[in-house]
Amino acid sequence: AQSVSQHNHHVILSEAASLELGCNYSYGGTVNLFWYVQYPGQHLQLLLKYFSGDPLVKGIKGFEAEFIKSKFSFNLRKPSVQWSDTAEYFCALKGAGNMLTFGGGTRLMVKP
Amino acid sequence: EADIYQTPRYLVIGTGKKITLECSQTMGHDKMYWYQQDPGMELHLIHYSYGVNSTEKGDLSSESTVSRIRTEHFPLTLESARPSHTSQYLCASSESGGSGNTIYFGEGSWLTVV
Repeated sequence: AQSVSQHNHHVILSEAASLELGCNYSYGGTVNLFWYVQYPGQHLQLLLKYFSGDPLVKGIKGFEAEFIKSKFSFNLRKPSVQWSDTAEYFCALKGAGNMLTFGGGTRLMVKP
Repeated sequence: EADIYQTPRYLVIGTGKKITLECSQTMGHDKMYWYQQDPGMELHLIHYSYGVNSTEKGDLSSESTVSRIRTEHFPLTLESARPSHTSQYLCASSESGGSGNTIYFGEGSWLTVV
């Protein structure tokens, strides 16, 4: 069985603060990892993904994530958040088959 | 930009009514999925299809049913809606073959059963 845990359900930051959202997974085989973002009233969009190679992955809008295999983690980071980053962020794992297992999501609110 | 569409976006219906949530994609993807997300909770896979005439139940048990008569179309039906079915339903699709294929999501259908 595969599972994904996101430890922070709600995060509130001020603009320009640095962001790190935790994501840990459980799966014994080769993994593909994703971060999706859902802005208020909009659909899920792909932020970034890791398949293989460089464990530091850069995505859109200045986001990056680092795959640490020994820690089963894929944390999302951004050096300086903006008000427009207010959204819900989902970490996801693709292990067996082609289906995604999602974490519980983290709601980020950025105060102007 | 992904081309996957869901209708209706928002629906409020009475208990016992039959409803169908429509999902269409224009990318020619063989694989399609339905996820359910309760407010503030995680996404759960409820149905998936690997091609025409192929449908399977996902990780979360659901009273809904799906059909896949055409590649581009993957409707979800509730024969008799109940308040416990109130949720957001997300349709998604992906290409076949290989590993690491990205899954593209529709905008979601918000269903409220009163």
